[in-house]
Amino acid sequence: EIVLTQSPDTLSLSPGERATLSCRASQSVSSIYLAWYQQKPGQAPRLLIYGASNRATGIPDRFSGSGSGTEFTLTISRLEPEDFAVYYCQQYDSSPWTFGQGTKVEIK
Amino acid sequence: EVQLLESGGGLVQPGGSLRLSCAASGFTFSSYAMSWVRQAPGKGLEWVSSISGSGGSTFYADSVKGRFTISRDNSKNTVYLLMNSLRDEDTAVYHCAKSSGYSGYECSDYWGQGTLVTVSS
Repeated sequence: EIVLTQSPDTLSLSPGERATLSCRASQSVSSIYLAWYQQKPGQAPRLLIYGASNRATGIPDRFSGSGSGTEFTLTISRLEPEDFAVYYCQQYDSSPWTFGQGTKVEIK
Repeated sequence: EVQLLESGGGLVQPGGSLRLSCAASGFTFSSYAMSWVRQAPGKGLEWVSSISGSGGSTFYADSVKGRFTISRDNSKNTVYLLMNSLRDEDTAVYHCAKSSGYSGYECSDYWGQGTLVTVSS
């Protein structure tokens, strides 16, 4: 099983700041099989990024993904008030598909 | 507009069974794999099971293999999760999710709000 470890667990930032979230895999993941999701309290997760760097439909361009192998990054260039949420990475390269434990982006 | 509506959750005793349903609309159901992902209270996301568009291929997390069965009825645009031998640790909100492709080796591009399953005596 591929274990995904996200860091940090919590990121405290102000609106307008840049957020950098990390996702490290226990073994190499093909970049085409790495996704990022956003989840707000009481809501279903929303797909942000697929294939490590492709924005899903309707996702603003302040969200970007990068990385390969075992190191992946989600960057939010300028935080908007609606971006404060929990973010999960997921690999779907090797069954069982696995998620990271999540990074909470909170208002400082 | 893609819509996924889960039902069938509730309170069940340890060792009991429950069948979840997810009614889908807004897309060609048989062309896409479907998944179930759960979230225990206050915890993160855990993939549970996926099924290909035809239903010919199924995938399970080790934690549910042999106890849960995923199936689909393409004539009813519905995916199911039959859960047997339920344990306390199966308590969670169960989300139905549409895959971005047919095989099951894809991410989930649309999610339902989920249905709560509580396993307790």
